Amino acid sequence: NAGVTQTPKFQVLKTGQSMTLQCAQDMNHNSMYWYRQDPGMGLRLIYYSASEGTTDKGEVPNGYNVSRLNKREFSLRLESAAPSQTSVYFCASSGQGYYGYTFGSGTRLTVV
Amino acid sequence: AQKITQTQPGMFVQEKEAVTLDCTYDTSDPSYGLFWYKQPSSGEMIFLIYQGSYDQQNATEGRYSLNFQKARKSANLVISASQLGDSAMYFCAMVGFYNYGQNFVFGPGTRLSVLP
Repeated sequence: NAGVTQTPKFQVLKTGQSMTLQCAQDMNHNSMYWYRQDPGMGLRLIYYSASEGTTDKGEVPNGYNVSRLNKREFSLRLESAAPSQTSVYFCASSGQGYYGYTFGSGTRLTVV
Repeated sequence: AQKITQTQPGMFVQEKEAVTLDCTYDTSDPSYGLFWYKQPSSGEMIFLIYQGSYDQQNATEGRYSLNFQKARKSANLVISASQLGDSAMYFCAMVGFYNYGQNFVFGPGTRLSVLP
């Protein structure tokens, strides 16, 4: 099915471990985003990529890095995980106009 | 900077009645879009309705309508004839089309509970 695919869906890390969250979209969208969702705080933007080859910081970029590998893929890396990064992570993409905002199903990350 | 405010952490409504979820926003961008998303307990984000800042009419999508008052910077979601399946978190969001690289800003959400 067309849409945004995130992997993995669940992950448990130990403090200090690293990992990469993968996101891919097959809708030929230019823009892609990574959000985190914490209880009672809605979604907060970590990084976004307005087009292939560009990335920009969002509201809460500290502790994360991103790579826009190509037009389809946008990965989020935690170099040294911390308990404060326990959250649900959503990837999204958008094309021209509003109707392109599509979310992935989310990754539930726990850092112990 | 852009900001979304949702002042109702939780709302209750009787099944089959209408309910209004409040949303106010702040932006200096002259052109923007306003969105409502539903997040059921399963966790996915479901797009409900969109309103463009230059749209002359309020948006409607089935039982959902958006009460857009530009001068007041409000974009309230109205759900008519509530159903048990409407119980979920509801997020208001916006994007500024000119100045903010098309990144979304979300409100903190409102948890709606529909009572039988």
